[in-house]
Amino acid sequence: EDQVTQSPEALRLQEGESSSLNCSYTVSGLRGLFWYRQDPGKGPEFLFTLYSAGEEKEKERLKATLTKKESFLHITAPKPEDSATYLCAVQENSGYALNFGKGTSLLVTP
Amino acid sequence: DVKVTQSSRYLVKRTGEKVFLECVQDMDHENMFWYRQDPGLGLRLIYFSYDVKMKEKGDIPEGYSVSREKKERFSLILESASTNQTSMYLCASSPPGKDGYTFGSGTRLTVV
Repeated sequence: EDQVTQSPEALRLQEGESSSLNCSYTVSGLRGLFWYRQDPGKGPEFLFTLYSAGEEKEKERLKATLTKKESFLHITAPKPEDSATYLCAVQENSGYALNFGKGTSLLVTP
Repeated sequence: DVKVTQSSRYLVKRTGEKVFLECVQDMDHENMFWYRQDPGLGLRLIYFSYDVKMKEKGDIPEGYSVSREKKERFSLILESASTNQTSMYLCASSPPGKDGYTFGSGTRLTVV
């Protein structure tokens, strides 16, 4: 069973059409939940770390929130340059490594 | 600006060759990681290292080995490359504690 499940797999939005990406997770003890952005052919780029339920972080048009079972990445009034794959990952208290979801591929059309 | 540098962006190797993928970080990070990324499978951890000369197997270590002789450098070795090792390989590093990874740009390896 996957520890990290992202939905939807793919999302197409019109420019300015706000939406949310979901990341649900199952771990025994969460050290941190991470969001990354990945452009085609490139390595993932760090966006946010969330450590505890109720925490929120924002960066430009992106806002990440965390509950005890899931995280949301809210995209407000997206632009075409926000098109990318967004990856969610969790780190357990007991480990060094990040466990990644399969990602959500976002396409924002003009 | 902090960086993780992977030596090659694209690599084509023949089946059976021994392949070395190099990764260097300039952030004095203790932890370094090798992942592979495949469509539909996401990022899967191959090996990681939390200190010089220390290594731990990840989820898919078969067919791979690693070397960390210096803190800044972490090498991934494909002992005898096979076509099912064709993939995007990503190196990352992190400090101890809660901060996330910094990734390199990736190496697209094709084994023919």
